[in-house]
Amino acid sequence: QVQLQQSGPGLVKPSQTLSLTCAISGDSVSSISATWHWIRQSPSRGLEWLGRTYYRSKWSIDYAVSVKRRIAINPDTSKNQFSLQLNSVTPEDTAVYYCARVNRGERHFEYWGQGTLVTVSS
Amino acid sequence: QSVLTQPPSVSGAPGQRVTISCTGSSSNIGAGYGVHWYQHLPGTAPKLLIYDNNNRPSGVPDRFSGSKSGTSASLAITGLQAEDEADYFCQSYDSSLSCWVFGGGTKLTVL
Repeated sequence: QVQLQQSGPGLVKPSQTLSLTCAISGDSVSSISATWHWIRQSPSRGLEWLGRTYYRSKWSIDYAVSVKRRIAINPDTSKNQFSLQLNSVTPEDTAVYYCARVNRGERHFEYWGQGTLVTVSS
Repeated sequence: QSVLTQPPSVSGAPGQRVTISCTGSSSNIGAGYGVHWYQHLPGTAPKLLIYDNNNRPSGVPDRFSGSKSGTSASLAITGLQAEDEADYFCQSYDSSLSCWVFGGGTKLTVL
């Protein structure tokens, strides 16, 4: 059974960087059978896919156009986890952030992290 | 603002049947991408209910079913129970946006 455990601060100041981590158990971030995603949900923007990372013969990363200039998703094989960094945050980035797993060749999110409410405020 | 359109709320009495619609376009549902449904209780991780239009993961009761036609899809819940009260959202993939897309969510109230 795959489990995703999120961690990171719940409060970030405007213009600073939001950083979250998703620790994986029951699978490997390097698995060629999975892709690893970040999603957020806010009252104003609804559910929004942010990006993903996955390993085949090399690491690949895809980002949503809406955040492409500010986002970084990185795998950490030594800790079997992946991270989200969102730069230059504004109150509009206040949301519940989720990590999630998708099986290779599929497009539904089978496993989700517990969610982290991140508030952007001074 | 969501790419997929859902009604904000639906309601039904215990034992009744309710349906939740999800309307997309020719670049997502209409392009043949699967529609997936999730149940979401506040403060918890979303739970996959239906994948690829009409498939249930193991452990999901057969009271939940999905269908798809053209650019729309529906989630049906029969034999409504109090524990079904939750938010439900649909999800697909959009080839024009090259990203995963979601509905705005529908709050189900069991009367």
